[in-house]
Amino acid sequence: DTEVTQTPKHLVMGMTNKKSLKCEQHMGHRAMYWYKQKAKKPPELMFVYSYEKLSINESVPSRFSPECPNSSLLNLHLHALQPEDSALYLCASSQTIPESSYNEQFFGPGTRLTVL
Amino acid sequence: LAKTTQPISMDSYEGQEVNITCSHNNIATNDYITWYQQFPSQGPRFIIQGYKTKVTNEVASLFIPADRKSSTLSLPRVSLSDTAVYYCLVGPFQQGNTPLVFGKGTRLSVIA
Repeated sequence: DTEVTQTPKHLVMGMTNKKSLKCEQHMGHRAMYWYKQKAKKPPELMFVYSYEKLSINESVPSRFSPECPNSSLLNLHLHALQPEDSALYLCASSQTIPESSYNEQFFGPGTRLTVL
Repeated sequence: LAKTTQPISMDSYEGQEVNITCSHNNIATNDYITWYQQFPSQGPRFIIQGYKTKVTNEVASLFIPADRKSSTLSLPRVSLSDTAVYYCLVGPFQQGNTPLVFGKGTRLSVIA
């Protein structure tokens, strides 16, 4: 199984709502990532988890709160978002100890978030 | 982190070979070069990764000159389905790291 799944596919929320994005992988990867992608722009790294511990936070506003409850799951909790936070949120995973001559990130299909 | 520069867009006819060059003048000794492909409303997909000289897999080749300040992704005989955005990333590979910062990408349009 080389798949990263993300739910929901689409999410519309108001600025006062609290919602969560979910990401799951069963490849045994111990590094997981959240990216944000605006239209016609490259993905921007938000958070990196390594062995279920937050290792990189790219100065993301506190209205985004990541959580890694176990080695297969990654959540992104959303609270009091702004309309400019509307974007495609991508989750990815990778090995921490590469088993071949290269190391790739496996991306999920993303959650399309709209903040009204 | 090494900054990358790619052409914003390229056009090609079906069946042609396409070469996309990425410039990374301040690449570090332990940095690897990675290319991803992304279709609209999908997550990026890994294409190829290399450190020096030439790497080839079933979908592409990656050419890296001796000074490593640039690299070229070569797609043989493109088809309409290769229309996508191609991203070049440069970053460390050892000790479980993988390049994380995406360049601005090259939008490839394949024409029939």
